[in-house]
Amino acid sequence: SYVLTQPPSVSVAPGKTARITCGGNNIGSKSVHWYQQKPGQAPVLVIYYDSDRPSGIPERFSGSNSGNTATLTISRVEAGDEADYYCQVWDSSSDHQVFGGGTKLTVL
Amino acid sequence: QITLKESGPTLVKPTQTLTLTCTFSGFSLSTSGVGVGWIRQPPGKALEWLALIYWDDDKRYSPSLKSRLTITKDTSKNQVVLTMTNMDPVDTATYYCAHPVVTAPEYYFDYWGQGTLVTVSS
Repeated sequence: SYVLTQPPSVSVAPGKTARITCGGNNIGSKSVHWYQQKPGQAPVLVIYYDSDRPSGIPERFSGSNSGNTATLTISRVEAGDEADYYCQVWDSSSDHQVFGGGTKLTVL
Repeated sequence: QITLKESGPTLVKPTQTLTLTCTFSGFSLSTSGVGVGWIRQPPGKALEWLALIYWDDDKRYSPSLKSRLTITKDTSKNQVVLTMTNMDPVDTATYYCAHPVVTAPEYYFDYWGQGTLVTVSS
């Protein structure tokens, strides 16, 4: 089955840029969606179809996808961005959804 | 405004069957293109997709759990029910239902319920 690989943790200072990767075999040919999850809360969609932002999500959140890596980029990081982030794709070979292992973003 | 809420037991014994209900509002499962999905998350671990049911009663299941899962809908009550048989302590998790934005066969989840923690223990 299709596997998505995320780094367990990423740390960034406030005001800097955080990049969270999601690796998968030829992931650039798939649509990638990203969720933010704060402790004790349900996930929130932050990016869909690689780079689209739902209404209400700050422009500081952006996404890209090419080759074997998709990337969620958070510019001008704020303390409130500290959360777990998950990528998600649809695996056509098995017709089911796949989530990455999640990345904990720590704001220093 | 779309809302979803999960309900069911907080504690089940090993080998028992878990039945969870997702009650939703703001959309109808009789509308073409609509679905409801289930996702779970063991404590401190990652999200795991479980199942999805479409408006036309088409169903999709996680391959690794397919033999244990059943998803059904009651359109008149705006509810979706997930059953999981032969529960084990490793099934301890927060179970979420969510509304997908469907561009068949792909979808992503734009609204999530608050989740319900199910503990499997004797």
